[in-house]
Amino acid sequence: TQTVSQSDAHVTVFEGDSVELRCNYSYGGSIYLSWYIQHHGRGLQFLLKYYSGNPVVQGVNGFEAEFSKSDSSFHLRKASVHWSDSAVYFCAVTMATGGNNKLTFGQGTVLSVIP
Amino acid sequence: DPKIIQKPKYLVAVTGSEKILICEQYLGHNAMYWYRQSAKKPLEFMFSYSYQKLMDNQTASSRFQPQSSKKNHLDLQITALKPDDSATYFCASSHPTGGGYEQYFGPGTRLTVL
Repeated sequence: TQTVSQSDAHVTVFEGDSVELRCNYSYGGSIYLSWYIQHHGRGLQFLLKYYSGNPVVQGVNGFEAEFSKSDSSFHLRKASVHWSDSAVYFCAVTMATGGNNKLTFGQGTVLSVIP
Repeated sequence: DPKIIQKPKYLVAVTGSEKILICEQYLGHNAMYWYRQSAKKPLEFMFSYSYQKLMDNQTASSRFQPQSSKKNHLDLQITALKPDDSATYFCASSHPTGGGYEQYFGPGTRLTVL
């Protein structure tokens, strides 16, 4: 069974600060890890993904995430946040094989950026 | 132009009634999905379709029936509605294989069952 855990329900930072949103997963197979963003009242938008290779992956709008096999983690980071980054962020896992492309999401982290 | 259209945006229904949620995508994808988001549960996978064929069904109830009349359509019929069905229902699409981790989501249909 795939599980995804986002330990922080809310994170509040000031504009210009750095931020790290945490994600831990549990799955014993070949998986894709990804992050999605959901602005208020909107659908989810893909930010980035990791499958293999360089454990640090770059996404849109200055976001990056780092995979750690030893920690079973895939934390999302941004060096300098903007007020428009305020949204809910979801970490997700999907099996690399199997064909159903089911995304299993964490509970989400609400990021609030104070201007 | 919106690439994934969901209709209606808001829907209010009475307990026991039946509703159809519409989803159309104009991304040329052959895989489509339904997810549900409610206050009680995080985003929850419901169905996946590939080339108009059901690939996976993770809903426990037969009251939820996807319908794919065209390859870019995946509607969701819900019968015998219950207040617990109140949620926002998201349609998504992707390339069917290899790119399933990058799914494009519609704006959602917010269903309230009274």
